[in-house]
Amino acid sequence: SQTIHQWPATLVQPVGSPLSLECTVEGTSNPNLYWYRQAAGRGLQLLFYSVGIGQISSEVPQNLSASRPQDRQFILSSKKLLLSDSGFYLCAWSRWGGRDTEAFFGQGTRLTVV
Amino acid sequence: AQSVSQHNHHVILSEAASLELGCNYSYGGTVNLFWYVQYPGQHLQLLLKYFSGDPLVKGIKGFEAEFIKSKFSFNLRKPSVQWSDTAEYFCAVNAGDNYGQNFVFGPGTRLSVLP
Repeated sequence: SQTIHQWPATLVQPVGSPLSLECTVEGTSNPNLYWYRQAAGRGLQLLFYSVGIGQISSEVPQNLSASRPQDRQFILSSKKLLLSDSGFYLCAWSRWGGRDTEAFFGQGTRLTVV
Repeated sequence: AQSVSQHNHHVILSEAASLELGCNYSYGGTVNLFWYVQYPGQHLQLLLKYFSGDPLVKGIKGFEAEFIKSKFSFNLRKPSVQWSDTAEYFCAVNAGDNYGQNFVFGPGTRLSVLP
């Protein structure tokens, strides 16, 4: 069966420090991968998605970037964190197409920038 | 680009009351539609999904949703809610001609069921 791992679960970082959140998927190949930010009352905001290694689409201009160095690894990064980057970040994966299309979510990372 | 709106930010019901959560999407082509639920302290999980065929879809825990293409709607219903249904509910759309390339979620509706 497929599983998705996201870490760390919580993170407190000072303003101006770098960020690296990692997400890996097991049990499937060539998944579509996503990073979302969840804010209270604003639902899930899609930040990035990837359909393959090295292929990243950005949905919202921001202080963050994403990379996919391996088929089942998706990394969310920042060179210098802002206070406004605080939030709950979710990684997700999906299969491609048709009735199998469904997004599966990780447990999320609560990021607090201080 | 797709977008999703949900009619209510917060719904409060008593146990055994009927539930209907509204969801509308904007996209001119074929869509796949989903309802996800997030129970307190838990990760998002799929409640039900629609791809094609019967527009009335049944999901887990007695939930169902009806796809009305002419209204661009996919409302979630349950005839009798329980306290354990307290959670946040998200409607999502996935463009049919770009399957799996992105999922767009609505802002969510928080449901509180009073015992």
